[in-house]
Amino acid sequence: KQEVTQIPAALSVPEGENLVLNCSFTDSAIYNLQWFRQDPGKGLTSLLLIQSSQREQTSGRLNASLDKSSGRSTLYIAASQPGDSATYLCAVKEGPGNQFYFGTGTSLTVIP
Amino acid sequence: NAGVTQTPKFQVLKTGQSMTLQCAQDMNHEYMSWYRQDPGMGLRLIHYSVGAGITDQGEVPNGYNVSRSTTEDFPLRLLSAAPSQTSVYFCASSREGRGPYEQYFGPGTRLTVT
Repeated sequence: KQEVTQIPAALSVPEGENLVLNCSFTDSAIYNLQWFRQDPGKGLTSLLLIQSSQREQTSGRLNASLDKSSGRSTLYIAASQPGDSATYLCAVKEGPGNQFYFGTGTSLTVIP
Repeated sequence: NAGVTQTPKFQVLKTGQSMTLQCAQDMNHEYMSWYRQDPGMGLRLIHYSVGAGITDQGEVPNGYNVSRSTTEDFPLRLLSAAPSQTSVYFCASSREGRGPYEQYFGPGTRLTVT
């Protein structure tokens, strides 16, 4: 069974800092990987979706990379802002008809 | 578009009671799913559906039933609530299960079973 790990579980940084969130998965034969943001008491908001054939995706200050061979993805956030404070989750899909497997998330706090 | 909607937002049940969590989407998505989110365990798939009339079990289906009579709606039924079912429940949808499509999530239902 696919296992997805996100380390660290919590991260606190000063405003303006660039930061990297990590996601690792045990089975490299994935179909795609999706990064989500979850605000307290809210649902999940999709940030970026990377297909298995892609190396990275960018949206504004966010950049997600994928290295299937090493079973890793990173989410890079540039020039962090207090509004970026949230929990960030990654999820991998093993096949076109299969479920997503989620990590437990990294709780990010950006200090003004 | 309203996206994915869920009702109720909060619910308290006594052990043994039954109830239905509602989920609807207005994006004409074929694929819909239910997850539960528990502290330290991430989101786990309960049931999913690849289209009207078709449902299947996920990772943690015991104690839950689903049906999909229309494309828009995918209710989750708790047959006899247990304290172990205290959790936050999320419904999600995507254009189809087989394909490179994003999942969209509802706001969640916070369920407490006493």
